[in-house]
Amino acid sequence: DTGVSQDPRHKITKRGQNVTFRCDPISEHNRLYWYRQTLGQGPEFLTYFQNEAQLEKSRLLSDRFSAERPKGSFSTLEIQRTEQGDSAMYLCASSLLVDWEKLFFGSGTQLSVL
Amino acid sequence: DQQVKQNSPSLSVQEGRISILNCDYTNSMFDYFLWYKKYPAEGPTFLISISSIKDKNEDGRFTVFLNKSAKHLSLHIVPSQPGDSAVYFCAASVSAGGTSYGKLTFGQGTILTVHP
Repeated sequence: DTGVSQDPRHKITKRGQNVTFRCDPISEHNRLYWYRQTLGQGPEFLTYFQNEAQLEKSRLLSDRFSAERPKGSFSTLEIQRTEQGDSAMYLCASSLLVDWEKLFFGSGTQLSVL
Repeated sequence: DQQVKQNSPSLSVQEGRISILNCDYTNSMFDYFLWYKKYPAEGPTFLISISSIKDKNEDGRFTVFLNKSAKHLSLHIVPSQPGDSAVYFCAASVSAGGTSYGKLTFGQGTILTVHP
């Protein structure tokens, strides 16, 4: 399977704990995106990378969120001091720059903060 | 502030008939519009797109119409098939300049059910 993979699929954590999610994009894709989706809503943009450079970060993203894409390959999204409002599906997507509108999404990581 | 709105949470259609999904947007800077489809337990998948310089784009059974003056777009599926049953998201982007490619603003989604 050469699609976008995300790990873990589900994460349950207690409020105040730190969590980290991993995304492996399609290998030849130079763009990588993180989105967040809550129940009944569409995906909401969080941040994106072109190769290893983080080019944009949503103003909605607090300082507790950080993302990295070392060497322009896989990416990690870390949430520090989790809050109940962080409970959501975290989606990773990748694309080619020339075909940017065709984002290939992973199946997501469902985070539940208790 | 919801810049992309899909006001119909759900739509039910008979197999073989036309499905019409609607989407409205408020940000006049949007110049590229997309539809994504999502099955349960999967991420969204790209379906079709349209640039603001066009008013129609067709791909097989799927056609997207754009009415810039009304800030409205629609997706037509003809004929509808049971396998089309999914959540459909409308999305928009500001593509001018290229720096925001892939930064999509999504609507809330419409659940389409196609009955055999």
